[in-house]
Amino acid sequence: QSALTQPRSVSGSPGQSVTISCTGTSSDVGGYNYVSWYQQHPDKAPKLMIYDVTKRPSGVPDRFSGSKSGNTASLTISGLQAEDEADYYCCSYAGDSYVFGSGTKVTV
Amino acid sequence: EVQLLESGGGLVQPGGSLRLSCAASGFTFSSHVMSWVRQAPGKGLEWVSAITGSGGNAYYADSVKGRFTMSRDNSKNTVYLQMNSLRADDTAVYYCARFYSYYFDYWGQGILITVSS
Repeated sequence: QSALTQPRSVSGSPGQSVTISCTGTSSDVGGYNYVSWYQQHPDKAPKLMIYDVTKRPSGVPDRFSGSKSGNTASLTISGLQAEDEADYYCCSYAGDSYVFGSGTKVTV
Repeated sequence: EVQLLESGGGLVQPGGSLRLSCAASGFTFSSHVMSWVRQAPGKGLEWVSAITGSGGNAYYADSVKGRFTMSRDNSKNTVYLQMNSLRADDTAVYYCARFYSYYFDYWGQGILITVSS
């Protein structure tokens, strides 16, 4: 199973919005509404930010939102804040396994 | 509070074996699928394995199938990852994660495995 494709990096100024894409195939992203997103700060464990494409766990700010169209899922961070600077990974169910994205570094 | 604490990491020679443990607390352990996810130095996340709450079924990534075995002891609230025939490309931080529905909702702090001679 190949990693899902994400841009290597995106950047934005405080208060701006950034969108991270996550492209897979009909066997993973396009085939199921089970895409999740994880935030990872340096030398820290990943943290769940979005699940089931669009849902936010309790405690995650509403400036984080998710969507999907066809084989591509997206994570949008609105009103960018300094603490949002981190690596972000998408993940999709792929039938009998899970596949992560290649990761995107967000710079604020 | 959900807590996951990995142990058993370290340096091992190529071809060697190692067993990781993950002690869980703060939730009804036997009700949850558990998983291992790894991250090679400077690289992205890779799903490794998962095991059902009863321990009756385990699932593996192709990259570790036949070499790694995941198990659990619900009386000890602990999951294990037995890693055999280790290779240099198994070098990574290994995270224990609680699985809920179709996502990983809680993660341990991770433990480093280095495969090198």
